[in-house]
Amino acid sequence: AQKITQTQPGMFVQEKEAVTLDCTYDTSDPSYGLFWYKQPSSGEMIFLIYQGSYDQQNATEGRYSLNFQKARKSANLVISASQLGDSAMYFCAMRVTWSNYQLIWGAGTKLIIKP
Amino acid sequence: DTAVSQTPKYLVTQMGNDKSIKCEQNLGHDTMYWYKQDSKKFLKIMFSYNNKELIINETVPNRFSPKSPDKAHLNLHINSLELGDSAVYFCASSQTSGGGINEKLFFGSGTQLSVL
Repeated sequence: AQKITQTQPGMFVQEKEAVTLDCTYDTSDPSYGLFWYKQPSSGEMIFLIYQGSYDQQNATEGRYSLNFQKARKSANLVISASQLGDSAMYFCAMRVTWSNYQLIWGAGTKLIIKP
Repeated sequence: DTAVSQTPKYLVTQMGNDKSIKCEQNLGHDTMYWYKQDSKKFLKIMFSYNNKELIINETVPNRFSPKSPDKAHLNLHINSLELGDSAVYFCASSQTSGGGINEKLFFGSGTQLSVL
């Protein structure tokens, strides 16, 4: 079964510290893509970063990086030097070829940055 | 210019009413979606259209009817609203429906529907 698991429903982190948000996935499809989205309190869904299953290097986008460990089926999001504006819900999602390319979503992690 | 715009942002209505949510994208994408986000923030796909054709129709009450007059627009009409329909509804678009595993979704800002 195709599945995304985010085990941290909520996290508190001190401002300027690095944050790791966990995401594990389950698929038997060798070709898949992994996404992270941010949903601030204003409600919109913002794309952050993408990692393909065949990508050799971990994806990075500014302060965001994806710690991709294929053998462990994990795709953790790392936010360096956290800021107050990073407080939001974070969703991990996966796209596989078999499912008509639908995105499979995790339940999300609520991140709160403390000043 | 907003890439995916949906209106209204907030919709408060009584049970039994009929309401519509409109969505437009100016990205030139072929595929559009409706998602429902429940109170626990879980995202569930409802429908997907590719070039005005319905390609994904999840288990959704038939009170919900999507309409795509052209590939840039996907509206959601809801008949006989029920309390359980209260949620945030997101419109989204992507370049194609099966173009690749790396296609990201672009979301509208959401419509918070409250049924009283």
